[in-house]
Amino acid sequence: SQQGEEDPQALSIQEGENATMNCSYKTSINNLQWYRQNSGRGLVHLILIRSNEREKHSGRLRVTLDTSKKSSSLLITASRAADTASYFCATALTGANSKLTFGKGITLSVRP
Amino acid sequence: KAGVTQTPRYLIKTRGQQVTLSCSPISGHRSVSWYQQTPGQGLQFLFEYFSETQRNKGNFPGRFSGRQFSNSRSEMNVSTLELGDSALYLCASSPNLAGREAFFGQGTRLTVV
Repeated sequence: SQQGEEDPQALSIQEGENATMNCSYKTSINNLQWYRQNSGRGLVHLILIRSNEREKHSGRLRVTLDTSKKSSSLLITASRAADTASYFCATALTGANSKLTFGKGITLSVRP
Repeated sequence: KAGVTQTPRYLIKTRGQQVTLSCSPISGHRSVSWYQQTPGQGLQFLFEYFSETQRNKGNFPGRFSGRQFSNSRSEMNVSTLELGDSALYLCASSPNLAGREAFFGQGTRLTVV
C-alpha cells in the first residue's frame, strides 16, 4: 500500500485563492517531499521538509510537518492558473537505502 | 546542466514482446530510480541503482529488470509484455542515494497492444 495518502483527491479553486493539500503517512520518516506533475509529464520537486523540521517556505509554498500525527500539508498562496497540476507527496523512510514512496496525488484545478 | 533524459518518449509494443527503456541522469548523479505510473495505481517504485548496484527493488515480477552502467546511465527492460504494462515509466536521478530530492525525466509512454 502507498506510504503517503493525499487529501483531497481533487481540488478546484478560483485564481487568487489559497490551496491547501494534505498528506498522511504510516511509518517514521526521514523526510517528506512534495512534487508537481503537469499532465503526462515528469515530476518537478517543490520542497523537502526533514523530520526534525515543522515548517518550511519556498516562494508561495508553505509546507508543515506534524510527525506526531504523521501528516503534512502544502499550502499554495495566491494561486494562479499555471498552478493547475497534480501534486504528490513522497516520503523517504529512515535508513541509508531508503527509497521515495509516493501517494496517488491530488489534482488541483485553478480557474482563471 | 542538462536534465534527466529518457528515451524513447513514446513506444508501442505488442503483447509478448520485450522493451528496453533508457535513462541518462544529470551529470554527477549516481542514483537512478525507476517508477511506473498508471491512473489506477499511481506511482509505483520499480528499482533503484547506485554505482551500478541495485540498492532497492519494488514489488514487480521478474519480467522487470534493470541495470546501471559505469557512466550512471540506466536501462530498464520488460520482457513478455502484458497489456497491463501500459504506463508512463519515469526515471529519476539523485546526487546520492534515493530518499533525497529527485530529478525526474519526462518519462517514456509505453503502450502495449
